Amino acid sequence: KAGVTQTPRYLIKTRGQQVTLSCSPISGHRSVSWYQQTPGQGLQFLFEYFSETQRNKGNFPGRFSGRQFSNSRSEMNVSTLELGDSALYLCASSPTNRDNQPQHFGDGTRLSIL
Amino acid sequence: QKEVEQDPGPLSVPEGAIVSLNCTYSNSAFQYFMWYRQYSRKGPELLMYTYSSGNKEDGRFTAQVDKSSKYISLFIRDSQPSDSATYLCAMSGDSGYSTLTFGKGTMLLVSP
Repeated sequence: KAGVTQTPRYLIKTRGQQVTLSCSPISGHRSVSWYQQTPGQGLQFLFEYFSETQRNKGNFPGRFSGRQFSNSRSEMNVSTLELGDSALYLCASSPTNRDNQPQHFGDGTRLSIL
Repeated sequence: QKEVEQDPGPLSVPEGAIVSLNCTYSNSAFQYFMWYRQYSRKGPELLMYTYSSGNKEDGRFTAQVDKSSKYISLFIRDSQPSDSATYLCAMSGDSGYSTLTFGKGTMLLVSP
């Protein structure tokens, strides 16, 4: 069974640009969560999608947004990029969005802002 | 005070040693406790998943949860150089949804 797939693996952007990251969950998983990982803050929750609807959101500015498609694939968008947005962006999937089911992560997209 | 505290290490041990990794937390509503292993340039890999207090064993790995003390542990027996990685504890259950709260991770180095 294929795992969580994230594309692209690496991305370099400049300040002010926008970026879109993609995540394909494990087959049959309908919940997709996004996390930001930095050396200073560790892993922080961005948002979670289930059945094409955002169900939960972390404490990040509105520049961070996402969506989920009918096949459960998800995209995350960051607009007006800032230097502090440099991070590893991780996607995780689980069968549903209930807390009694573990999440499985992809290998992330490494975003560097110049 | 952060919700989940984890010593960043690095923790250096010789091959074959028993390793103990720990996290403390402040939110008594957490019910599900996980340990993830993360190699350099890779995503976190789920190692152990436990519910409420108690022990769970899987091969060389044992997870312990003590909710009364708000303390969780991961023990690795007969550690191998391939165990060298960052170990992240994670928790959920305070909202009913699958949002995870992570510790910052402990870097483990196992020398041959």
